[in-house]
Amino acid sequence: KNQVEQSPQSLIILEGKNCTLQCNYTVSPFSNLRWYKQDTGRGPVSLTIMTFSENTKSNGRYTATLDADTKQSSLHITASQLSDSASYICVVSAGMHSWGKLQFGAGTQVVVTP
Amino acid sequence: DGGITQSPKYLFRKEGQNVTLSCEQNLNHDAMYWYRQDPGQGLRLIYYSQIVNDFQKGDIAEGYSVSREKKESFPLTVTSAQKNPTAFYLCASTPDSPEEKLFFGSGTQLSVL
Repeated sequence: KNQVEQSPQSLIILEGKNCTLQCNYTVSPFSNLRWYKQDTGRGPVSLTIMTFSENTKSNGRYTATLDADTKQSSLHITASQLSDSASYICVVSAGMHSWGKLQFGAGTQVVVTP
Repeated sequence: DGGITQSPKYLFRKEGQNVTLSCEQNLNHDAMYWYRQDPGQGLRLIYYSQIVNDFQKGDIAEGYSVSREKKESFPLTVTSAQKNPTAFYLCASTPDSPEEKLFFGSGTQLSVL
């Protein structure tokens, strides 16, 4: 079973609107949680990295939140633009003892329409 | 510009053939990784290398091989033993450990003829 579950699988939003993507994980122990943006046919690009002690981190119009107690994270996109159309991937690290073994979610496909 | 270069962008493999995917980085990173991406699934780790002349198997190493003779280069060979090679392959690197931000290449789409 995948240790990182993302929802929804896909969503369509109108340009200028906001949206929120969810990530639930069961990875333990927990070291950090990352959000990546992947354009079609391209490699993922890092948006945010949060450790256990961080609740919120922003990168422009992208704001990620983390609740380590409930093992949930969200990515909020504000005032969406056509260029936000991409897959958003949640990645969880279990720490140095699991070197190289990051857990990747399957991604949420976002389509922004004019 | 610093970054990771993967080539080719598209690759086709005939049955029984070995093919090699190139990955070069000029970020001076010690650690490099190969991931496989299939539709509807999370990325899966094939191989990783912490330093030159050393590499370790990931979760799905069967049917693949790698080498790390230079710090900048981490080529992946998809052998004929890999029976389902059609996928998007991503190379990545970090300065040292996977706790740091991953930098990805632009990927290679491998298909079977």
